Amino acid sequence: DAKTTQPNSMESNEEEPVHLPCNHSTISGTDYIHWYRQLPSQGPEYVIHGLTSNVNNRMASLAIAEDRKSSTLILHRATLRDAAVYYCILRLPFSGNTPLVFGKGTRLSVIA
Amino acid sequence: DTEVTQTPKHLVMGMTNKKSLKCEQHMGHRAMYWYKQKAKKPPELMFVYSYEKLSINESVPSRFSPECPNSSLLNLHLHALQPEDSALYLCASSQESGRHYNEQFFGPGTRLTVL
Repeated sequence: DAKTTQPNSMESNEEEPVHLPCNHSTISGTDYIHWYRQLPSQGPEYVIHGLTSNVNNRMASLAIAEDRKSSTLILHRATLRDAAVYYCILRLPFSGNTPLVFGKGTRLSVIA
Repeated sequence: DTEVTQTPKHLVMGMTNKKSLKCEQHMGHRAMYWYKQKAKKPPELMFVYSYEKLSINESVPSRFSPECPNSSLLNLHLHALQPEDSALYLCASSQESGRHYNEQFFGPGTRLTVL
């Protein structure tokens, strides 16, 4: 499986934008880029995914580099509730019954 | 209903006890998973069930015994555990296929302590 590299931790002020980077230099042409996050004392939850184009949803935006070797998860206005570990994961399409392979993720702290 | 429930939330057991963890979902998902998460580490896969059949066992010791009695339920039977098995046990589910991606839904986990 192609690997991802993320910073161990990041810090943000409340109501400021946060850019969480992910490097995936060995990504294949068919790998989708998925982001999950794990809030304290909870299971991971899906955030967003994309293939080539930038994506937006109600939780976040995903910016994908033109060569697809890196991507950035953008939280437009961080709140205290966004403090979590964020995981960048590569997945093949139609991989419905295959497990997620989690890297170390980035622990985001949000300061009031 | 997009919820995966897990019971109990917390479990303390001795090394000679037998206990079970339970996971339930009513989203019609036919793939269900057990992950183990040690403190400050990412989740690691233990088992995958696909259409109620075990499809992946990540070389998990036999003191962990999974069971999928029907499409909504997933159990993890525990016997003769060691203190190093103390961890958060996460259950997840997803659709089998049909879309170019399939989101996994996780339960809140069972925090297990083995004394």
